[in-house]
Amino acid sequence: SQQGEEDPQALSIQEGENATMNCSYKTSINNLQWYRQNSGRGLVHLILIRSNEREKHSGRLRVTLDTSKKSSSLLITASRAADTASYFCATAGRGTGFQKLVFGTGTRLLVSP
Amino acid sequence: DAGITQSPRHKVTETGTPVTLRCHQTENHRYMYWYRQDPGHGLRLIHYSYGVKDTDKGEVSDGYSVSRSKTEDFLLTLESATSSQTSVYFCAISPRDPNTEAFFGQGTRLTVV
Repeated sequence: SQQGEEDPQALSIQEGENATMNCSYKTSINNLQWYRQNSGRGLVHLILIRSNEREKHSGRLRVTLDTSKKSSSLLITASRAADTASYFCATAGRGTGFQKLVFGTGTRLLVSP
Repeated sequence: DAGITQSPRHKVTETGTPVTLRCHQTENHRYMYWYRQDPGHGLRLIHYSYGVKDTDKGEVSDGYSVSRSKTEDFLLTLESATSSQTSVYFCAISPRDPNTEAFFGQGTRLTVV
C-alpha cells in the first residue's frame, strides 16, 4: 500500500500564482522528500525534509512537515510554465535495517501562460 | 541525469518471453533500485541492491529477478513476461540508503502484447 497520498490529484493555475500540494502518510518517518517528473522523463529530487524539521526552503520551493498530523506541503511560489510537471512525495521510514523510499501517486500541476 | 543509463528505452515483447532491462551508472553509488510506474499507483519498488551480489525484494517482486555482478550494472529480468508487466520501469541510485536523495534514469517503456 502507498505510504504517501498527494492532494490534489491535479492542479491548474496561471503563471505567477502560487501552487500548493499536500502529502499525507501513515507511519513514522525518518524524512520526507519531494520529486518532480516532467512528462516522459525520470524523477528529479527537489528537496528533503527530516522528521525533526518543520520547514525548509529551496529557491521558490517551500516545504513544511507536520509529524503530528503526518502531513507535508509543497509550495511553489510565482509559478512558471516550466513548473508544469507531476510532483511526488516520498517517505523514508524509521527503523532498523533498510528502509525503502515509498512514493505517493503524485499531483499533476499545469501552469498556463 | 546523474550518470544513469537505462536500456532499452522502449521495448515491445510477447507474452511468455523473457526480458532483461539494464541500468548502468557511472557514479559508483552503492544503492540501486528498480521501480515500476503505473497510472494510479505511483512508483512501486520491485527490487533493490545494496552492493555487488547483494539484492533484496521490494513490494512488487513477483515475476521479476535481478542481478548485480558489478557496481555499475543492475539488471532486471522478467522471467516470463505477462501483460500485467506492461509499465514504465525506472532505475534509481543513491550513495547511501533512502535517507538521502535518489537519482533516477530516464525510464524504459515496456509493452507486453
